[in-house]
Amino acid sequence: AQKVTQAQTEISVVEKEDVTLDCVYETRDTTYYLFWYKQPPSGELVFLIRRNSFDEQNEISGRYSWNFQKSTSSFNFTITASQVVDSAVYFCALSAQGQLTFGSGTQLTVLP
Amino acid sequence: KAGVTQTPRYLIKTRGQQVTLSCSPISGHRSVSWYQQTPGQGLQFLFEYFSETQRNKGNFPGRFSGRQFSNSRSEMNVSTLELGDSALYLCASSLASRVSSYNEQFFGPGTRLTVL
Repeated sequence: AQKVTQAQTEISVVEKEDVTLDCVYETRDTTYYLFWYKQPPSGELVFLIRRNSFDEQNEISGRYSWNFQKSTSSFNFTITASQVVDSAVYFCALSAQGQLTFGSGTQLTVLP
Repeated sequence: KAGVTQTPRYLIKTRGQQVTLSCSPISGHRSVSWYQQTPGQGLQFLFEYFSETQRNKGNFPGRFSGRQFSNSRSEMNVSTLELGDSALYLCASSLASRVSSYNEQFFGPGTRLTVL
């Protein structure tokens, strides 16, 4: 069975602070894919990044960066210099055997 | 390119009724997946269709069913509605071919179903 844990239910930061969202996953598959999605108040899930289990390179895209560590089964997401528009629910997800399993989400609030 | 569209956006039904939700994927996408989102259970996978065939199924009762048409559009049906079926139903499409796991899914805005 697959499982994704996002231990942080809610995080509040002040604009321009850096914030890291944690994600820990469990799977018995050796080939799997990890994703981060953002869900703004409008409700539509927006794809942010995909990582496969064989690629542990960290990635930076603008203010976003991701840290994938297979040894600890973690795929953490950092927003640098947060902005009010970053306020949303962020979901980490694991895909294997054709099913996408989501974590429970982290509600991020960025205060002006 | 138009995104994933879902109709209707909002729906109110009463217990015992049935409901059909519709999803039009991004042009060229052949895989359509359905998810249920509730405050208590979070986002849960319902099923995936590819080339008109159900390829994967989550852990939901038989009251939840779906189908996919030759143009990749998909419908989801819930029969004998229960109060607990109130949720946001999200549809996602992807380019997935033989192996569906690695393609990112693009989500629609969802259909908010309220069961009274």
